[in-house]
Amino acid sequence: GENVEQHPSTLSVQEGDSAVIKCTYSDSASNYFPWYKQELGKRPQLIIDIRSNVGEKKDQRIAVTLNKTAKHFSLHITETQPEDSAVYFCAANTLQGAQKLVFGQGTRLTINP
Amino acid sequence: DTAVSQTPKYLVTQMGNDKSIKCEQNLGHDTMYWYKQDSKKFLKIMFSYNNKELIINETVPNRFSPKSPDKAHLNLHINSLELGDSAVYFCASSQGISEAYEQYFGPGTRLTVT
Repeated sequence: GENVEQHPSTLSVQEGDSAVIKCTYSDSASNYFPWYKQELGKRPQLIIDIRSNVGEKKDQRIAVTLNKTAKHFSLHITETQPEDSAVYFCAANTLQGAQKLVFGQGTRLTINP
Repeated sequence: DTAVSQTPKYLVTQMGNDKSIKCEQNLGHDTMYWYKQDSKKFLKIMFSYNNKELIINETVPNRFSPKSPDKAHLNLHINSLELGDSAVYFCASSQGISEAYEQYFGPGTRLTVT
């Protein structure tokens, strides 16, 4: 089945700097790659997603890139702010059997003021 | 006007007890899910229902039994609770299964088994 690996598990950056989180997936049929942000004690919420027919998508300070050949995708956050501190999860859908999302292990991002 | 709601938010109980968690969505979605998030924050799908029909059962122990009385509700009943069941359980919903859609998560239920 689908396997999603996420790195790093923890990331600490200075406010204003950029943060990059990387994920790899195993199922070449996957075609949907969302990123969720989970603040402490809260629910995961979608911040950006990308489908396999595009290589990059941007929404203000957040961007996601996808390399289908290498089967990896990345989240880029620019001009980081303290409110960006959270756990970030990547995910990929699997089309083997019923469609579902397989999540990466999560990255705890800390923005230092 | 909460999109996906769960009750209770916290549940503390002893080993061997039976407990239920309820979930409701008012988004008109066809598909609902239960996820378990362990102490290491790993999010793993347990069950998925589409229009009240079970479509995913991820090798979860038989002590866990989901029930979907209608497509807006998905409840989770757990029998004979064990220490290892302690986790945060999230309900989620999405538009359908014909293609991949955004999943909307409920606020979570923190289950503590003592």
